[in-house]
Amino acid sequence: EVQLVESGGGLVKPGGSLRLSCAASEFTLSNAWMNWVRQAPGKGLEWVGRIKTKTEGGTTDYAAPVKGRFTISRDDSKNTLFLQMNSLKTEDTAVYYCTTGAYEGVWGKGTTVTVSS
Amino acid sequence: QTVVTQEPSLTVSPGGTVTLTCASSTGAVTSGYYPNWHQQKPGQAPRALIYSTSNKYSWTPARFSGSLLGGKAALTLSGVQPEDEAEYYCLLYYGGAQVFGGGTKLTVL
Repeated sequence: EVQLVESGGGLVKPGGSLRLSCAASEFTLSNAWMNWVRQAPGKGLEWVGRIKTKTEGGTTDYAAPVKGRFTISRDDSKNTLFLQMNSLKTEDTAVYYCTTGAYEGVWGKGTTVTVSS
Repeated sequence: QTVVTQEPSLTVSPGGTVTLTCASSTGAVTSGYYPNWHQQKPGQAPRALIYSTSNKYSWTPARFSGSLLGGKAALTLSGVQPEDEAEYYCLLYYGGAQVFGGGTKLTVL
C-alpha cells in the first residue's frame, strides 16, 4: 500500500524556521509531482506549493502567502520530500499534508505546525 | 486573487442524489482546469475521489461521478449513503498554481 508519512511538525516562535519531511513507501517519489497542502484549525484546505520531477526540471511553484518564505525540495535517493519554512507567522499554524500529483491521488496523514510566542 | 466557490452546505436524504458544484472567479470551468474532488471526514486526512474532471481512483465508490455542468465542475453522488456525510473540496489548476474551493459540508439526513 502506498503511504506518505509527514514528520517535523511542532511549536515554533514567530520568525522561526521549521523543516518538514514526507517519506514515501511503496511509491517511487522520483516519478511524481508532489505537493504540500495545509489546513488551519477549523478552516478549509489551502494549496501551499508543488515540485515537479527532476526530469522535468524540478520546478517549484508556491501559493502567494508563502512565496519567498517556504521552499520545497526532494531527495529522490531517500524517497523523501521536504518543506523548509522560514520567517514563520502565526497564520502559518496548520496541519501540513504532503500529497502526490492528481494521477496517484495519495495523501499523508499530516503533521501539525503551531506558530506561537 | 483567484477564488474557487462551492456551496457552503447541502443536505440530502439517504438513497438520494445530490450535485456539488465548483465555480471559478476567472470564468467558466473547463477540462483545462483539471478539476479534482477530495473528501474529508472529521478528524481524518482528505482522500482523493476524482481527478481531471471525471476520472476515478480504484478506491472511489461507483456512486461518485464528476462532470462539467453549466460552466462549473460538478460532483454527483447517486444513492447517497450515511457514510458520505463529509466535507468535499474541489481543486482547480491555474497553470503553475492550484486553488482549493472553500468546501461543501454534506449532511445526510
